[in-house]
Amino acid sequence: EAGVTQFPSHSVIEKGQTVTLRCDPISGHDNLYWYRRVMGKEIKFLLHFVKESKQDESGMPNNRFLAERTGGTYSTLKVQPAELEDSGVYFCASSQEEEDGRYEQYFGPGTRLTVT
Amino acid sequence: AQKITQTQPGMFVQEKEAVTLDCTYDTSDPSYGLFWYKQPSSGEMIFLIYQGSYDQQNATEGRYSLNFQKARKSANLVISASQLGDSAMYFCAMREVGNTGFQKLVFGTGTRLLVSP
Repeated sequence: EAGVTQFPSHSVIEKGQTVTLRCDPISGHDNLYWYRRVMGKEIKFLLHFVKESKQDESGMPNNRFLAERTGGTYSTLKVQPAELEDSGVYFCASSQEEEDGRYEQYFGPGTRLTVT
Repeated sequence: AQKITQTQPGMFVQEKEAVTLDCTYDTSDPSYGLFWYKQPSSGEMIFLIYQGSYDQQNATEGRYSLNFQKARKSANLVISASQLGDSAMYFCAMREVGNTGFQKLVFGTGTRLLVSP
């Protein structure tokens, strides 16, 4: 079974440019999450989809970030325009409810974004 | 306020020895879950172990065990018989129910473990 995949693995862009990150969750997982880790800090929640619906986007930093999940399958996270503080590693995770209710989240390898 | 605290930015251990990575948490929910993830240099996040707040026994997964002390709100990860491949960042996380009623993970800042020969 394929795991969570993310594309690209690395992206270096200039301030003011646009970048789109993609996440393909594990097939059949309704829950999809985006997280971000800024260098040296904790991994922080950005938002959560259930199928194609945004359930919680309380962690999105500002309106320069736009996430979509087309047809409840893959998701994209667009940053426009990018700022220096957006640099970090962006993780995607997916989950399906387990019998014990633990919602184990399976993470992708992350996209390392560098804004110069 | 930060809800997961990992006070050890770095830890060193010799191969074949055991090591404990500390994690304390803060929550007012009676039902919660605690996770440990490993992040090797390649970057992916690998799930290691899970402990539910109502679980009567400490979780174990192979060489990993979770020392769960509910009254002290601690969930320390114990790695027995360390191997060179255990060198990585380790993150403690707690499942939190957000305002929408759906769950998300809250992470600590991580502990970098270095295993020496």
